[in-house]
Amino acid sequence: DAKTTQPPSMDCAEGRAANLPCNHSTISGNEYVYWYRQIHSQGPQYIIHGLKNNETNEMASLIITEDRKSSTLILPHATLRDTAVYYCIALTGTASKLTFGTGTRLQVTL
Amino acid sequence: EPEVTQTPSHQVTQMGQEVILRCVPISNHLYFYWYRQILGQKVEFLVSFYNNEISEKSEIFDDQFSVERPDGSNFTLKIRSTKLEDSAMYFCASRMDRANEQYFGPGTRLTVT
Repeated sequence: DAKTTQPPSMDCAEGRAANLPCNHSTISGNEYVYWYRQIHSQGPQYIIHGLKNNETNEMASLIITEDRKSSTLILPHATLRDTAVYYCIALTGTASKLTFGTGTRLQVTL
Repeated sequence: EPEVTQTPSHQVTQMGQEVILRCVPISNHLYFYWYRQILGQKVEFLVSFYNNEISEKSEIFDDQFSVERPDGSNFTLKIRSTKLEDSAMYFCASRMDRANEQYFGPGTRLTVT
């Protein structure tokens, strides 16, 4: 699986959009970009994934650059409950295990 | 909304004792996983299980560990003789066949004294 690089921490004001970047410059054509988050010590939570096209669901949007070397997870209106560690993971559609890095610790403040 | 459940939420055991951690995956899921997270460290993959057998395991998953799906609903992780370094949060996860989104349980905090 391709290595991903994320900033260690970010801050965001409540109600504003949180934009979390991820670099995956060695991603291969059959690797998807997955985003998970872990709130405090809870189990990781699936957020969204994509291959080439931008994706949106009820939680977030995922913007993938045309060359697929980077992506951005967007939480459109961050709340205090979005404070968590966010993980960007590249893996193939047939891959099984998730390999978690250190992620980005997002702090949402009043 | 269906969810993965785990019991107990917290288990305290003495070194050398056997523990069994229990998970009930989402009912129509076919792949099952155990991960662990030592306090302050990354979430680490332990083992994946599909079609009643282990499909992949990490170096952490040595002979002291075993997994079982004893019936149609439970998925268990057994640690035969616990060590202090086994103290961690243990997360169970499951996924459907043709999707890679894994759904995690709330975890069991294992404390070995």
